[in-house]
Amino acid sequence: RKEVEQDPGPFNVPEGATVAFNCTYSNSASQSFFWYRQDCRKEPKLLMSVYSSGNEDGRFTAQLNRASQYISLLIRDSKLSDSATYLCVVNMISGGYNKLIFGAGTRLAVHP
Amino acid sequence: NAGVTQTPKFRVLKTGQSMTLLCAQDMNHEYMYWYRQDPGMGLRLIHYSVGEGTTAKGEVPDGYNVSRLKKQNFLLGLESAAPSQTSVYFCASSSTGPGQPQHFGDGTRLSIL
Repeated sequence: RKEVEQDPGPFNVPEGATVAFNCTYSNSASQSFFWYRQDCRKEPKLLMSVYSSGNEDGRFTAQLNRASQYISLLIRDSKLSDSATYLCVVNMISGGYNKLIFGAGTRLAVHP
Repeated sequence: NAGVTQTPKFRVLKTGQSMTLLCAQDMNHEYMYWYRQDPGMGLRLIHYSVGEGTTAKGEVPDGYNVSRLKKQNFLLGLESAAPSQTSVYFCASSSTGPGQPQHFGDGTRLSIL
């Protein structure tokens, strides 16, 4: 089982749609959770951290369910510029060191 | 506002050749990391450094070496390149530990023929 699993997509949605991505992680001791955005042939960039109480940043809402080891990202009112790959990232202590584990990403394509 | 800068951006090597990828950050970050990204897979940690003069192995260290002689620079070396090392390499840095957000360079695309 992968340490961080995501649906690879692609999710093809029209502008204005609401879309949700899910992510599951294997290590119940994980403490830090993030969503990164990666545009085609570009570097990953931090979109938002995910807090236990859930958090919102404009059109983006992230939620964490520790009991189910599950993270979600909701994007409302999708824009063409939201087209990208969204990476779920979780910290784990594995192999004797603390590290970030990156999911393979979920691709979003927003069309007119 | 440079952030994390990687050189070169692209490189093609022949099997058996060696090369060094350079990462420089101007944010005075203690932690630096080298990842590789392959299609259909998440970024995988090759090596990392928790400060000047220190390095440690990550998830996939074989075939790579690193050095951190200066706080702002983290070098990744391929001693004898193999086709399996064809990948996109990203350097990242963070001010505190690996459990905190990391800032990435724009990547090096490396092809080994």
